[in-house]
Amino acid sequence: LAKTTQPISMDSYEGQEVNITCSHNNIATNDYITWYQQFPSQGPRFIIQGYKTKVTNEVASLFIPADRKSSTLSLPRVSLSDTAVYYCLVGDVANAGGTSYGKLTFGQGTILTVHP
Amino acid sequence: KAGVTQTPRYLIKTRGQQVTLSCSPISGHRSVSWYQQTPGQGLQFLFEYFSETQRNKGNFPGRFSGRQFSNSRSEMNVSTLELGDSALYLCASSTGQGVLLQETQYFGPGTRLLVL
Repeated sequence: LAKTTQPISMDSYEGQEVNITCSHNNIATNDYITWYQQFPSQGPRFIIQGYKTKVTNEVASLFIPADRKSSTLSLPRVSLSDTAVYYCLVGDVANAGGTSYGKLTFGQGTILTVHP
Repeated sequence: KAGVTQTPRYLIKTRGQQVTLSCSPISGHRSVSWYQQTPGQGLQFLFEYFSETQRNKGNFPGRFSGRQFSNSRSEMNVSTLELGDSALYLCASSTGQGVLLQETQYFGPGTRLLVL
């Protein structure tokens, strides 16, 4: 089963680039890697998704090495409003008795705190 | 478009009781997933419904069940509540490719359940 490991917390300052790495040693061939952001008392919000190499959108970049055993979320020039919990997500499927079970594996999340 | 809505937002129950939570997905979304979030276990996938059928499930006991209606609205039921069921229950919707294919999930604000 693809399990993910992330740093528990990180600190940064406004204007800096932040890189959060997620380990997923048992990632399956068909799995994508997705990152979500969550603020207190809110549901998670999609940030970025990728399969391999590099993906970039208007808010972040995602770097995935060739072996796909890890991925790095990069947030350029963070601000105070980027203070949140960031989750790395990898899809996982197990089949038993003809019924397909899908189980998304969330990392424990990284608490990012951005300081003035 | 209106986002995912969940009712009620807060709920207090006692051990042994049962509870039903409701989720209305984004208009046009056919897949609804449920998650449990606790400080100790983090975000855990409960199950996913698509076209009124449970398509994927996580590793939760049978006390946790759900259903989906023809209008894609979903309900989650927990019977014989235990103290450990106290958590934030999140609902997420997507267009229909589903959890397994790593489709972007749009989360609601959650229902905070406290079991006394």
